[in-house]
Amino acid sequence: DTGVSQDPRHKITKRGQNVTFRCDPISEHNRLYWYRQTLGQGPEFLTYFQNEAQLEKSRLLSDRFSAERPKGSFSTLEIQRTEQGDSAMYLCASSFPGDTEAFFGQGTRLTVV
Amino acid sequence: GNSVTQMEGPVTLSEEAFLTINCTYTATGYPSLFWYVQYPGEGLQLLLKATKADDKGSNKGFEATYRKETTSFHLEKGSVQVSDSAVYFCALSGSSGTASKLTFGTGTRLQVTL
Repeated sequence: DTGVSQDPRHKITKRGQNVTFRCDPISEHNRLYWYRQTLGQGPEFLTYFQNEAQLEKSRLLSDRFSAERPKGSFSTLEIQRTEQGDSAMYLCASSFPGDTEAFFGQGTRLTVV
Repeated sequence: GNSVTQMEGPVTLSEEAFLTINCTYTATGYPSLFWYVQYPGEGLQLLLKATKADDKGSNKGFEATYRKETTSFHLEKGSVQVSDSAVYFCALSGSSGTASKLTFGTGTRLQVTL
């Protein structure tokens, strides 16, 4: 296993378009997290799953954002009707429950033009 | 709510200099504390962690001690190398002992020169 994988690495989209990102966690990990990182800031928590259940969502996750993890393995994060303010790095991480270490992917950099 | 405050960067040091990056936190309960590092072009990597008061986390010559009385978790290294140039993030977990929801500081960029 090569760690947490995210696809695509970069995405440029026009304002108003929908985008979807994918995250493949480390295979034995049943917790999966999404974070957003804007330039010059630390990552901000968006949501997390334990297996297929979405256990918590941040207030940052507006109704244009939706995340799924249908089979408890990979996850997708969709942004509808993108806005320029959505431009950021979207990070995925995974861990075992109760583990103090979360492993991060390299992120998907979204640019909305 | 939980928050983390770290010293602003960039921090520029000569090789073999002593490094301190300050981190203080506000949290309810008993969080775990972490330092993550982000090398250029790479993802976040856990550098070290401490799960309870007075614990010292250490890795690759870096150390940080969980100080509950001062709500701090300062990162130190006795002799930095050019390869330590990266962005360092202090973070805390929402629940003691778990990685569940991390709250990060804004990051401190370290530049080490020869």
